[in-house]
Amino acid sequence: KAGVTQTPRYLIKTRGQQVTLSCSPISGHRSVSWYQQTPGQGLQFLFEYFSETQRNKGNFPGRFSGRQFSNSRSEMNVSTLELGDSALYLCASSLEGARSTDTQYFGPGTRLTVL
Amino acid sequence: QKEVEQNSGPLSVPEGAIASLNCTYSDRVSQSFFWYRQYSGKSPELIMSIYSNGDKEDGRFTAQLNKASQYVSLLIRDSQPSDSATYLCAVIGTSYGKLTFGQGTILTVHP
Repeated sequence: KAGVTQTPRYLIKTRGQQVTLSCSPISGHRSVSWYQQTPGQGLQFLFEYFSETQRNKGNFPGRFSGRQFSNSRSEMNVSTLELGDSALYLCASSLEGARSTDTQYFGPGTRLTVL
Repeated sequence: QKEVEQNSGPLSVPEGAIASLNCTYSDRVSQSFFWYRQYSGKSPELIMSIYSNGDKEDGRFTAQLNKASQYVSLLIRDSQPSDSATYLCAVIGTSYGKLTFGQGTILTVHP
């Protein structure tokens, strides 16, 4: 079974631009969670989608948004990029995103650099 | 107090030794606990999950959970240089799809 895939793997943008990242979950997985990883803050939860609905959201500004399609693929968008948005963006998929026993499997990540 | 705290590293052990990684969490309603391994420049990879009090063994890895003490640990027996990585403790509580991670412990296994 193929794992979680993310595209693109690397991105370089300038301040003020916007960016869209894509995530394809493991086949049969309907929940997709997004995380930001930086050296200073570690791994932080951005949001979670299930059946095209955002069920949960972390403490990030509104510049960070996402969506999920009917095939469970998900995208996240960051508008008006800031230098501090430079990070590794990870998506993880799980069967249902339920509160217990559901295991999240991570994709390879997208390395975003904002200049 | 951080929601999930791991023992400060880095941790260095000789090849063949037991590496002990510890994690405490603050939310008593936390239900599921995970250990991920992350190599430099790579994404987190699941090693173990544990949901009930006690020990769970998988090969050279043993996870231990004590909900009363809000403590979870990972033991790596017969440590190998290939085990050198950052180990992340993660907890899922009452909100959908949200793993809360500790800051990670860097483990180095030297030959």
